[in-house]
Amino acid sequence: DAGVIQSPRHEVTEMGQEVTLRCKPISGHNSLFWYRQTMMRGLELLIYFNNNVPIDDSGMPEDRFSAKMPNASFSTLKIQPSEPRDSAVYFCASISGGSLSRDTQYFGPGTRLTVL
Amino acid sequence: GQQVMQIPQYQHVQEGEDFTTYCNSSTTLSNIQWYKQRPGGHPVFLIQLVKSGEVKKQKRLTFQFGEAKKNSSLHITATQTTDVGTYFCAGRGQAGTALIFGKGTTLSVSS
Repeated sequence: DAGVIQSPRHEVTEMGQEVTLRCKPISGHNSLFWYRQTMMRGLELLIYFNNNVPIDDSGMPEDRFSAKMPNASFSTLKIQPSEPRDSAVYFCASISGGSLSRDTQYFGPGTRLTVL
Repeated sequence: GQQVMQIPQYQHVQEGEDFTTYCNSSTTLSNIQWYKQRPGGHPVFLIQLVKSGEVKKQKRLTFQFGEAKKNSSLHITATQTTDVGTYFCAGRGQAGTALIFGKGTTLSVSS
């Protein structure tokens, strides 16, 4: 099992540029989560999908952030335009099984984003 | 909204000493999970507690869920350098809602 796959692992970009982060959940998992981690704010849930449908995007900081899940095996998180305060590690996670109530989350290795 | 608070934020111990991190929720939880994140790594699931007063053990790690299902603790006996990392609790309110993560407790161990 390859686990949750994220790309790129590192991204350095300049302020104002568009950034796209990618995630491939574990095959068969039907819920996917995007998190942002910073020293100041810890691990924050941005958005999650269940069966490819966005369920809760209340954690998305502002309109510059958008996320899509066109199919069960792929999701993107886009920041446009990026700002220095978006610098963080972005994790994708997926749920095993079909129960959002009980199942554990498997995290990907993360994308470390630096916006200059 | 629901909040999950963890203390302490940082803890340094000598190898062989015990360590405890505490997690408190502003609301009753349906379950709580614990994760460990090594430096430079990603959170890795450790355990889930569901029942009121539940206690689970994994070798030197003991996890407890409070009777009111609003608090939890992780205790490590005789820490080792391999225990270094950040330990997160994550609580779930109503069934079907997303986990809310605490800010974590970062453990450092000196030999």
